[in-house]
Amino acid sequence: KAGVTQTPRYLIKTRGQQVTLSCSPISGHRSVSWYQQTPGQGLQFLFEYFSETQRNKGNFPGRFSGRQFSNSRSEMNVSTLELGDSALYLCASSLEPTSGGTSTDTQYFGPGTRLTVL
Amino acid sequence: DAKTTQPPSMDCAEGRAANLPCNHSTISGNEYVYWYRQIHSQGPQYIIHGLKNNETNEMASLIITEDRKSSTLILPHATLRDTAVYYCIVRVAHNSGYSTLTFGKGTMLLVSP
Repeated sequence: KAGVTQTPRYLIKTRGQQVTLSCSPISGHRSVSWYQQTPGQGLQFLFEYFSETQRNKGNFPGRFSGRQFSNSRSEMNVSTLELGDSALYLCASSLEPTSGGTSTDTQYFGPGTRLTVL
Repeated sequence: DAKTTQPPSMDCAEGRAANLPCNHSTISGNEYVYWYRQIHSQGPQYIIHGLKNNETNEMASLIITEDRKSSTLILPHATLRDTAVYYCIVRVAHNSGYSTLTFGKGTMLLVSP
């Protein structure tokens, strides 16, 4: 079974631009979560989507948004890019929403998209 | 969220067992312990998780103390490919019904020949 895929793998943008990142979950997985990883802050939760609805959101500004499609694929968008948005953006999928800690909602991560803002 | 404490780094000789400790003294009864690892610049890889009982899979074993305040991840025969940052995470179920993975700084395991 194919793992989580993310496109593009690398991206370079300039300040003020916007960017859209894509994530395809493992086949059959219906929940998608997004994380940002930076050297200073580590791995931080952005948001989670299930059934095309945002179910949970981390502490990020409104410039960060996302959506999920009926086939469970997800995109995240960052508008008005800042230098501090340079990071590895990770997508994780699970069978069901992260409702606790049972095996059905173990999250599996993709390889990430490396975003560099100049 | 329950806080975890891990040593920042550990060394292990190739072929030997790697025992990675994690303290989670404030863990609650319904909170699971998860372990992930991340090889440089790749996405985190799920290893194992448990609640009370010890768990084993093809990658590792997880030993949780009886009081659940600490756990140990065991890689029985470490290889060079096991060099990575290992994250111990206590998964909390929030009142909203959803939970998140809160990553700390983890333990950098260096496996040497």
